[in-house]
Amino acid sequence: LAKTTQPISMDSYEGQEVNITCSHNNIATNDYITWYQQFPSQGPRFIIQGYKTKVTNEVASLFIPADRKSSTLSLPRVSLSDTAVYYCLVSGPNAGKSTFGDGTTLTVKP
Amino acid sequence: DARVTQTPRDKVTEMGQEVTMRCQPILGHNTVFWYRQTMMQGLELLAYFRNRAPLDDSGMPKDRFSAEMPDATLATLKIQPSEPRDSAVYFCASGTGTGKDTQYFGPGTRLTVL
Repeated sequence: LAKTTQPISMDSYEGQEVNITCSHNNIATNDYITWYQQFPSQGPRFIIQGYKTKVTNEVASLFIPADRKSSTLSLPRVSLSDTAVYYCLVSGPNAGKSTFGDGTTLTVKP
Repeated sequence: DARVTQTPRDKVTEMGQEVTMRCQPILGHNTVFWYRQTMMQGLELLAYFRNRAPLDDSGMPKDRFSAEMPDATLATLKIQPSEPRDSAVYFCASGTGTGKDTQYFGPGTRLTVL
């Protein structure tokens, strides 16, 4: 299992870009990296997924270096509603036993 | 908009009672996960199924927890007997079971055991 390590918390202000990095040193060749967002009293929600290089969608970008031992979630111009816990998850081809880490609590201030 | 549903949303029970939580995965998804979330332990994977067969339940306390999928539209998690330390939010998630699998989470069942 690829263990993930993230900062416990981060603070930001509205309108800023936020980058959250996740370390996954023992990621396997066929593993994918997926980021989830969780608001209080809700289940985690998919944000973005990638295998290598860069992926961008309407809400975020994901940067993965060539060695794939880390990944960075980039949230452009955050708002107060982006205050949540963000998890990175590394999972294998069989969607097998993947482990959520402790997550990063992002607090966006006005 | 397809969603995972879970019932009940909240459950308060007394120690020793049986608790059954239900989950309806998204139609067409063949993988179901059960998680438990507490402040102390975070999100813990209890069990997961593919095509209704249990693939891994090593995260569950075997003596009191059991998970089943009677059919493709229903997954159940039972605790018997329940204990105060079982108090947590239990999430069900479903997916398509591939390496690119996205897990779609339900709203959770908040369990309080007195």
